[in-house]
Amino acid sequence: SYELTQPLSVSVALGQTATITCGGNIGNKNVHWYQQKPGQAPVLVIYANTNRPSGIPDRFSGSNSGNTATLTISRAQAGDEADYYCQVWDSSTAVFGGGTQLTVL
Amino acid sequence: QVQLQQSGPGLVKPSQTLSLTCAISGDSVSSITAVWNWIRRSPSRGLEWLGRTYYRSRWYNDYAVSVKSRITIKPDTSKNQFSLQMNSVTPDDTAVYFCAYYDSNHEWFDPWGQGTLVTVSS
Repeated sequence: SYELTQPLSVSVALGQTATITCGGNIGNKNVHWYQQKPGQAPVLVIYANTNRPSGIPDRFSGSNSGNTATLTISRAQAGDEADYYCQVWDSSTAVFGGGTQLTVL
Repeated sequence: QVQLQQSGPGLVKPSQTLSLTCAISGDSVSSITAVWNWIRRSPSRGLEWLGRTYYRSRWYNDYAVSVKSRITIKPDTSKNQFSLQMNSVTPDDTAVYFCAYYDSNHEWFDPWGQGTLVTVSS
């Protein structure tokens, strides 16, 4: 079955840059990223590899090259602590990565 | 702007049927560009897409292979909502269940319902 691989956890110092990767046979698929905080529904933070929905700070950016998509969070804030998931479509099935827990130190 | 409001019981006994409903505002369940989904999150599996329903001259469904034999996602046009039924549940089905929308021109999930914690326990 199709799989996306994310690191289980990433730590970043306050104000520094966090990088979360999503690996797999991504090819030319569009990758979407979601942020989920405890007790809340996931929120879309990047769509179609590089695009930010309205209301998402420009500190969030995305890229997709080769077989790895990357979510970058610049100037990390305490409020960015959350789980982050990448997602693609494979045939008619939505596939999520296993999720990365971001800790801001 | 689409908004989704979930309802349904938070406790289901093993071997019984889990039933959740997602009420839609801001669009029609019969919209020819809308796609209506159910997704769950559990500690063991993270986010897992369960399936979708959508209308394109007739109703279509797609289900994840892992649950295909046990679930049904149905629209209710009279109430502008859609539902999830999962039968023969086990404790492994304990999770937070979300409904979610996407526009077929876009393919990303936005927005999501508020989530319902469903615990499978006797």
